[in-house]
Amino acid sequence: DGGITQSPKYLFRKEGQNVTLSCEQNLNHDAMYWYRQDPGQGLRLIYYSQIVNDFQKGDIAEGYSVSREKKESFPLTVTSAQKNPTAFYLCASSRLYSNQPQHFGDGTRLSIL
Amino acid sequence: AQTVTQSQPEMSVQEAETVTLSCTYDTSENNYYLFWYKQPPSRQMILVIRQEAYKQQNATENRFSVNFQKAAKSFSLKISDSQLGDTAMYFCAFMKHDETSYDKVIFGPGTSLSVIP
Repeated sequence: DGGITQSPKYLFRKEGQNVTLSCEQNLNHDAMYWYRQDPGQGLRLIYYSQIVNDFQKGDIAEGYSVSREKKESFPLTVTSAQKNPTAFYLCASSRLYSNQPQHFGDGTRLSIL
Repeated sequence: AQTVTQSQPEMSVQEAETVTLSCTYDTSENNYYLFWYKQPPSRQMILVIRQEAYKQQNATENRFSVNFQKAAKSFSLKISDSQLGDTAMYFCAFMKHDETSYDKVIFGPGTSLSVIP
């Protein structure tokens, strides 16, 4: 079955540590996205990528970095510069320039030790 | 800039009853899409229903239907014959229609729906 796989499901970060969240899709979608979800605030866009080797900042990119070396993969690194990283992170993908909705992964819960 | 508002942070409904979740949005665009997503306790976001702004007919999907009022910029979701599996967070979302460039999806803050047995 086609879909989006996020790993790990739960992740803990120590102070000053960088951590990387994985996102893989086999839907052959060109566009991929990372969202942060906090209680009462809905989803906020961190980064998005429309094509391999290209990505753009979203609304809350500070303290995060991404790469898009393969069409199927869009990992998100939460750096030590992100002072409040505790949140639920969702990865999504979609066809480019279409009216089709985004498909989401199951998410990763990141917490601070 | 577009905004999406969901004025009901929490709602509850008895099993088998009908419930309506509210959503309003602000935009100067004429062509756009609206979505309702469901996020159950398992946390996976699932598309429930979508509406094209140029269509006057309200979208329906089994027990789910919308009341789309374009002039009022309102997009409510009605769930009929509520089931325990409908317990979830529901997010209203807006996307501008553009076939030449990317435009992001704007999500509302969500409504937590509990279906009571």
